[in-house]
Amino acid sequence: GAVVSQHPSWVICKSGTSVKIECRSLDFQATTMFWYRQFPKQSLMLMATSNEGSKATYEQGVEKDKFLINHASLTLSTLTVTSAHPEDSSFYICSAPRLAGGETQYFGPGTRLLVL
Amino acid sequence: GQQVMQIPQYQHVQEGEDFTTYCNSSTTLSNIQWYKQRPGGHPVFLIQLVKSGEVKKQKRLTFQFGEAKKNSSLHITATQTTDVGTYFCAVGSGYSTLTFGKGTMLLVSP
Repeated sequence: GAVVSQHPSWVICKSGTSVKIECRSLDFQATTMFWYRQFPKQSLMLMATSNEGSKATYEQGVEKDKFLINHASLTLSTLTVTSAHPEDSSFYICSAPRLAGGETQYFGPGTRLLVL
Repeated sequence: GQQVMQIPQYQHVQEGEDFTTYCNSSTTLSNIQWYKQRPGGHPVFLIQLVKSGEVKKQKRLTFQFGEAKKNSSLHITATQTTDVGTYFCAVGSGYSTLTFGKGTMLLVSP
């Protein structure tokens, strides 16, 4: 079946640095991808909707200047955490709809970010 | 987006016992989806329910959608250690977007 990959799977960085996370749809095109954040023992919280060829749509409370999203192709969306702080440490997961316009999702394996 | 309450937050069972998690909404849902997330893993789609009163089965898993489309349940018969994980319900909040319940963490002791 369809697969969504993420890179890197984990990253440790110093406070103040920027981290880029890639999300790829491997055998299908995704005009829309979603970025979630999950803190330990909590649910997934939608951060933003990544739209190919246009600006991302951010959920309330998510700083668009801090979490930069680029969806430059039909198979790649990137999330850049700028000027990372320890409170940004989390599990970041992307997803793409299983069907165009559908609501069920294929999820990537996630990226664990630890900011020291 | 639409909100769903999921209970219980956590359940610990002995292998072979049954398990049920529930999702409830104050508003009518167009559909509800269920996902499983293994420890350290990512959510994996299990099923989507669309019709009022719908019941679907996947081996030992039974999914139900309430008649009023305001609640749903996932029931596992005779749990196995491989069932360990967190089960999330999720509802569509618009074009392809999902709102997740808080999840029910299931621990199964051998």
